[in-house]
Amino acid sequence: DTGVSQDPRHKITKRGQNVTFRCDPISEHNRLYWYRQTLGQGPEFLTYFQNEAQLEKSRLLSDRFSAERPKGSFSTLEIQRTEQGDSAMYLCASSLILSSNEQFFGPGTRLTVL
Amino acid sequence: AQRVTQPEKLLSVFKGAPVELKCNYSYSGSPELFWYVQYSRQRLQLLLRHISRESIKGFTADLNKGETSFHLKKPFAQEEDSAMYYCARTDTGRRALTFGSGTRLQVQP
Repeated sequence: DTGVSQDPRHKITKRGQNVTFRCDPISEHNRLYWYRQTLGQGPEFLTYFQNEAQLEKSRLLSDRFSAERPKGSFSTLEIQRTEQGDSAMYLCASSLILSSNEQFFGPGTRLTVL
Repeated sequence: AQRVTQPEKLLSVFKGAPVELKCNYSYSGSPELFWYVQYSRQRLQLLLRHISRESIKGFTADLNKGETSFHLKKPFAQEEDSAMYYCARTDTGRRALTFGSGTRLQVQP
């Protein structure tokens, strides 16, 4: 499978714990995006990278959230001191700079905070 | 703020009936509009975008700037069209997608 992959697919944690998710984009894609989706809603943009540079962050991305893409390939999204409101599906997507912004989505990581 | 509104959470039609999934967007700059689809147990994928003016799987969508709408249409629904459909937009200089809340299409036999 050469699509976007995400790990883990499911994560259950207790309130106050830190969690980290990983996204591997399609290999030649320069842009990588993180979205969050809660029940009954469409995905909401969190942040995006072009190569290793984080170019845009949503106001949804509180200081408990941090994302990295150190070598311009895979990316990690860390949530510190998780809260029950962080429970959601976290989606990663990637695209090519020269494409018409078609974003290819991964399967998502479902986070449950108890 | 850029907004995308999908007024229907659920649309149920019979096989062979016409389908129209509604999408309205807030007026702001020069948006690019998309329809994404998510079939059961599959990942979100692009269905079509307004700039290409293409028809995919029999679906079409026309951008109406006067009504700020981008409704998705298909003349004859098929059972395999049953899925969650999301309207989305980007704006000049931005790469982030703003999604609507989605419409679930159920095509009954």
